[in-house]
Amino acid sequence: RKEVEQDPGPFNVPEGATVAFNCTYSNSASQSFFWYRQDCRKEPKLLMSVYSSGNEDGRFTAQLNRASQYISLLIRDSKLSDSATYLCVVNLGGAQKLVFGQGTRLTINP
Amino acid sequence: DTAVSQTPKYLVTQMGNDKSIKCEQNLGHDTMYWYKQDSKKFLKIMFSYNNKELIINETVPNRFSPKSPDKAHLNLHINSLELGDSAVYFCASSRLLTGLQETQYFGPGTRLLVL
Repeated sequence: RKEVEQDPGPFNVPEGATVAFNCTYSNSASQSFFWYRQDCRKEPKLLMSVYSSGNEDGRFTAQLNRASQYISLLIRDSKLSDSATYLCVVNLGGAQKLVFGQGTRLTINP
Repeated sequence: DTAVSQTPKYLVTQMGNDKSIKCEQNLGHDTMYWYKQDSKKFLKIMFSYNNKELIINETVPNRFSPKSPDKAHLNLHINSLELGDSAVYFCASSRLLTGLQETQYFGPGTRLLVL
């Protein structure tokens, strides 16, 4: 079983739609959680951290369910510029060992 | 202005050759990393260094040898290149080694193609 699993997509949604991605992780000792964004042929960049209580950053909402080992990302009122691959990332703690999911590819259509 | 830079951006070479990729960060971070992103887009950590000391070495063939001359630089030397080494290699850095919410900043990547 992969340490971090995501639906690779692709997701194609119209501009303005709400889209949600899910991610599961296998190691219950995982300590911190993130969503990174990677544009085509570019480097990954941090989108947001994911906190136990859930957190929001503008149109983006992240949720964590430690009991189910499940992380989600919700994008509201999607923009064309949201088209990218979204990477679910888990830190096992200690020495900053980030484990990346395969990524979910999102395309927003006009 | 670039926070994490890598050279070269593209590298095309023959099997069996030896090549190096250089990475520099001007963020004043203590910790640097090398990641490999294969054709299926999985991004996997290879090495991490903290203040020039090797911290993580993830079952990478010993043909790969990282070197950190100072905490702002982490280079990757690859001996006897194989077809399976073709990938995008990303360098990254973070302020600290520990800390649960540390952000890692990635370089633009080096696209290696072994023929």
